Amino acid sequence: GAGVSQSPSNKVTEKGKDVELRCDPISGHTALYWYRQSLGQGLEFLIYFQGNSAPDKSGLPSDRFSAERTGGSVSTLTIQRTQQEDSAVYLCASSLVVFNEQFFGPGTRLTVL
Amino acid sequence: EDQVTQSPEALRLQEGESSSLNCSYTVSGLRGLFWYRQDPGKGPEFLFTLYSAGEEKEKERLKATLTKKESFLHITAPKPEDSATYLCAVHQGAGGTSYGKLTFGQGTILTVHP
Repeated sequence: GAGVSQSPSNKVTEKGKDVELRCDPISGHTALYWYRQSLGQGLEFLIYFQGNSAPDKSGLPSDRFSAERTGGSVSTLTIQRTQQEDSAVYLCASSLVVFNEQFFGPGTRLTVL
Repeated sequence: EDQVTQSPEALRLQEGESSSLNCSYTVSGLRGLFWYRQDPGKGPEFLFTLYSAGEEKEKERLKATLTKKESFLHITAPKPEDSATYLCAVHQGAGGTSYGKLTFGQGTILTVHP
């Protein structure tokens, strides 16, 4: 596609359930990033991939968060045993290579009841 | 630790009233400073990348400049459609623990009244 796509656009879940968020980067972009934006907060970096590997996972808020990228393309962010504080907009971005400008998707709004 | 501070937090302008947004940064080994625009309910939209002090870039009514400590986004004769949140972000040079990430400021909410 022409831009970064994310699905679902909205997700409402109950506390304790697992959720999977998907990101489809711009074709040909080797780097992929996940950020979180909470109400009134700035964008918080979570993790990035260069190809299929994630050199640094220290931005993930807890061990309930994990991410993978397969085939150098689609990425999935999984949150296990969701908590109310996980409610936020999860944004995915991609860039041609790591230090280039990042292009963002529309985000997934996650609400944990 | 990388820090990015944007000011003001909010700015209200009349249509045609030019102004500037500020982004101050502290980072070891700047690899790039980025400006984004974010409309409500949407992801950030890329505007500019600046790499070295003295560099300037322009796009329509927007002009971004960079010094060793800060960047300015100048808005000339703004229109209501320029209303949005403007975000500044820095990319740290290699050697940091997360050199793939952008560190964002809190943003400036710009409102342009007709």
